[in-house]
Amino acid sequence: VQLQESGPGLVKPSQTLSLTCAVSGDSITSPHWWNWVRQPPGKGLEWIGEVFHSGNTNYNPSLKSRVAISVDKSKNQFSLNLTSVTAADTATYFCTRAGVSVAGFDSWGQGNLVTVSS
Amino acid sequence: DIQMTQSPSSLSASVGDRVTITCRASQSIRTYLNWYQQKPGKAPELLIYGASTLHSGVPSRFSGSGSGTDFTLTISNLQREDFATYYCQQSYNTLLYTFGQGTKLEIK
Repeated sequence: VQLQESGPGLVKPSQTLSLTCAVSGDSITSPHWWNWVRQPPGKGLEWIGEVFHSGNTNYNPSLKSRVAISVDKSKNQFSLNLTSVTAADTATYFCTRAGVSVAGFDSWGQGNLVTVSS
Repeated sequence: DIQMTQSPSSLSASVGDRVTITCRASQSIRTYLNWYQQKPGKAPELLIYGASTLHSGVPSRFSGSGSGTDFTLTISNLQREDFATYYCQQSYNTLLYTFGQGTKLEIK
């Protein structure tokens, strides 16, 4: 399985951060939850949320009012939108796959650094 | 939220050493505990899930134990490629996954 994030590396404050994760080697309709995790520079990991191919989602309550994760079955990919960004949203954003028989996140993208700055 | 606390935050060791990293959960998570290794500039990689099951391809010098609130990751016979940052993660509450703050393992 390979996951590949794509999206802008620079977003202005108050705008929307949008990232896409292309999945290869697996179907987005397989029984996995597809997740986003972020990591501010020099800091730890924070779970953002997840989506199932049905469109069901779960979000971190701390971000819930600003986050939307969706799936595009036709392109075998899923996406993250984070609105009203501030400098505190500057981070490397990873897309990941939650295992089925394997607990935990068993596949990760390489990460996409997004800087929020004017 | 289930808070995950790792100790120590950093440690120094030598090639060939045996090291132990501890992770404590703020409530019982049974064995829903995972360990990841992250090298600089790279994505985390799953090492251990279910507290003690090695993920495919992970060397047997890595081992995990624990249940309830207290867990350990042990690395025996440290190799140069093991120097990295390690994170624990609880998957007991899948509506809000949480990670420990990380333990940086450095070469002495």
